Amino acid sequence: DGGITQSPKYLFRKEGQNVTLSCEQNLNHDAMYWYRQDPGQGLRLIYYSQIVNDFQKGDIAEGYSVSREKKESFPLTVTSAQKNPTAFYLCASSISGRMYEQFFGPGTRLTVL
Amino acid sequence: GIQVEQSPPDLILQEGANSTLRCNFSDSVNNLQWFHQNPWGQLINLFYIPSGTKQNGRLSATTVATERYSLLYISSSQTTDSGVYFCAVNQAGTALIFGKGTTLSVSS
Repeated sequence: DGGITQSPKYLFRKEGQNVTLSCEQNLNHDAMYWYRQDPGQGLRLIYYSQIVNDFQKGDIAEGYSVSREKKESFPLTVTSAQKNPTAFYLCASSISGRMYEQFFGPGTRLTVL
Repeated sequence: GIQVEQSPPDLILQEGANSTLRCNFSDSVNNLQWFHQNPWGQLINLFYIPSGTKQNGRLSATTVATERYSLLYISSSQTTDSGVYFCAVNQAGTALIFGKGTTLSVSS
């Protein structure tokens, strides 16, 4: 069953803590993306990666970090430097290149207490 | 950067009604996708449509790239059609730029 999985579904964090959100895909896609969604808004790009061991900052990368050690995995760390981390986080993947359709995982809802 | 505007922001329908959602974008694009976000937050791919017309059941979409807009048609709406509909484009890079969405409520 091909798809994108994200875990956990819900995550609660105390202020000052780093947390890592998992994203795994078995679609054999080269490109992976992290987006953030705030209530009543569209999605905004945090980071993306078009190939293993390479990634680029998106529009709102401050306070976040990523790694891409395996083609299937693109974890996102929300650091304590992120001023307002409470949001819905969505991971996506696609065949690398501009002309290909992106597919999304089910998302992780992060709440900072 | 490119701007994506969706209208209307909110739409309330009775079951069985038809509707048209619009997406305007400010520059030429390589890719345009329509998504439906269900109440659990999952983004469901509806159409990949950088140009032309496509149909899938009760849904169809048309993109007129030269005039920089796309339309999503929903016919004979059902309560399960409720949710937020997003248009997203990409231009210079590969990541998508999203509009703010249209929230559709269908009542029985």
